[in-house]
Amino acid sequence: DQQVKQNSPSLSVQEGRISILNCDYTNSMFDYFLWYKKYPAEGPTFLISISSIKDKNEDGRFTVFLNKSAKHLSLHIVPSQPGDSAVYFCAASDSNNNDMRFGAGTRLTVKP
Amino acid sequence: DAGVIQSPRHEVTEMGQEVTLRCKPISGHNSLFWYRQTMMRGLELLIYFNNNVPIDDSGMPEDRFSAKMPNASFSTLKIQPSEPRDSAVYFCASSLNRAYTFKADTQYFGPGTRLTVL
Repeated sequence: DQQVKQNSPSLSVQEGRISILNCDYTNSMFDYFLWYKKYPAEGPTFLISISSIKDKNEDGRFTVFLNKSAKHLSLHIVPSQPGDSAVYFCAASDSNNNDMRFGAGTRLTVKP
Repeated sequence: DAGVIQSPRHEVTEMGQEVTLRCKPISGHNSLFWYRQTMMRGLELLIYFNNNVPIDDSGMPEDRFSAKMPNASFSTLKIQPSEPRDSAVYFCASSLNRAYTFKADTQYFGPGTRLTVL
């Protein structure tokens, strides 16, 4: 049962433009959401997070938006850079548990 | 700190053989997670430990999979016997679980072990 879904396996954008990665979840108990970035041959690394008491969190070029009613979150990267090319995983967690559920990932390619 | 250490980085074995993957979490972290990454299912949580105690192993696919954490600095994931469909990248992650905080603590991942079962 995929509780966290990233329906786009890949995304390609031009350098300097905005990248928007989407994520949907089904478990209404999830109250904390994270994005991880993964380069080839490396483990995922934490990028940005948001708790359910907020609807937006910004960190430099990265902004995460949360729409609780739609059970949807998105990661915006602007402006996109070639170094942003990686696989991005969306993750969700219920604060009462310590586990985390990940989406299948979206491969972002930023073209120079 | 060296981060989460996993060994081996690559493992190629034949069907039916026993495979043991190893993980050393970040010193001071009290939670440890084992994940499996496949193209079809992305990152799947297999099992996680809190203070060396297995908390949730519902993600472990079959009885062929077992995990142990004998102390705070070491964990193993064993597959016995291995099958070709077990081929995947296996990640270990650790975090510092602070009780009563309104967030899941950031997990730090190791580089993964790429397992190929022929």
